[in-house]
This record gives sequence, C-alpha cells and structure tokens, in this order.
Amino acid sequence: DAGITQSPRHKVTETGTPVTLRCHQTENHRYMYWYRQDPGHGLRLIHYSYGVKDTDKGEVSDGYSVSRSKTEDFLLTLESATSSQTSVYFCAISGPPGAPTRNEQFFGPGTRLTVL
Amino acid sequence: EDQVTQSPEALRLQEGESSSLNCSYTVSGLRGLFWYRQDPGKGPEFLFTLYSAGEEKEKERLKATLTKKESFLHITAPKPEDSATYLCAVQNDYKLSFGAGTTVTVRA
Repeated sequence: DAGITQSPRHKVTETGTPVTLRCHQTENHRYMYWYRQDPGHGLRLIHYSYGVKDTDKGEVSDGYSVSRSKTEDFLLTLESATSSQTSVYFCAISGPPGAPTRNEQFFGPGTRLTVL
Repeated sequence: EDQVTQSPEALRLQEGESSSLNCSYTVSGLRGLFWYRQDPGKGPEFLFTLYSAGEEKEKERLKATLTKKESFLHITAPKPEDSATYLCAVQNDYKLSFGAGTTVTVRA
C-alpha cells in the first residue's frame, strides 16, 4: 500500500454525528486525495490537497471538509454524517519528491463507514 | 466533463481463455490513462500508465494499449489469481476520473 495507512478501518456511526477519517503517508508525496467508492459509481473524488494547508474540492465534496496541517496527514471530516455517506473511503497519494511530473496515484487500504 | 466507460461490467473466463477489457474515454486534456487492479476489501493497486496513442505496456499476463478514444487491457492465458476488478482512469490536471470497473472471474 505504498506506505499509506488509514484509520479507522471500519466505523459504524449514527446520523448527525461528526466523523473524522485519517490518512497517513510515510512517502513524502506532495499530493493527497480522498475518494469514495460505491457500487455502480466507481471511485469519485471528494477533496484533494496539493500541499500543506492547500486543498481543493472534487466532484462530490458536499457534506465533507478536509485539512492538511502536515505533509504526512490528510483528514476527512463529515460534519454531520448522513446515511448517503455510507461508503468505502480511500485515500491516495501522488507526486514523489524529485519527480513532480509523475502522475500515478497509490491507494491506501480503505475505511468502511456505515451511517445508521 | 471527463467520462470513462468500461465494458463489459463482468467477465467470466476459463483458465487459459484469453480476453480483452475495454475502456472508452472522453477528456479535455489527457495527461495519462491508468489501469488499476482491485481485490475485494482492498485498495486499488497500480498496474500501468499510458500517455499517448500507440503506446503499449506489459506485465506478466497483462498488456495495456491506448488509442485516441479507448484503451484495452488484454489478459493472455489467465489464471485464477487474475480474478479481480480492473479499473481504468483518465487524468486531467492532477485529478483522476474512474470508470466503474470490469470484474473478471477466472475459473480453474
């Protein structure tokens, strides 16, 4: 998993509660991404980061916020979880140091989130 | 808007029966086309990057090719361990747009 860990790996929560998912990398890659994967939709980008404190929205960003205070950590927060946010969430990284044109993204193991 | 369509959705093969997966795409400025393999309960695993029409890449029994409108992933003489979902994605800027995937099952 290219030195990427996600925590927690599984979580069950109730509608209306806040949830934070963590992605941690040991590869010193510049870019970090959060995706959700749902049957029939494939992987969809939620938010991404192009550096510390630099983030931008993806195609399904409503209801989600992110923060990146250190190169190695990228947090995804659901401010008030809803049942439609039940999904598998993947973190990815790209842009190793010294190779800014390398575009491949490497994925973490995923977090399965269930909102009841 | 970038679009990626993969076909078929599912493919059942007998061990040794070669076949191809299709990835059709529309993108305003292609910076790369990527193939990933995903096993159940795991994150996608990077396989190939293709950058220009006519380019080909190989890895074991897999071979990826690229034209201006589509990419093919050829599986030659597959084995049961090749069973997985294969994902195609196109890159515009630093963002990837994924297809829904093709689930390949190889029976012994």
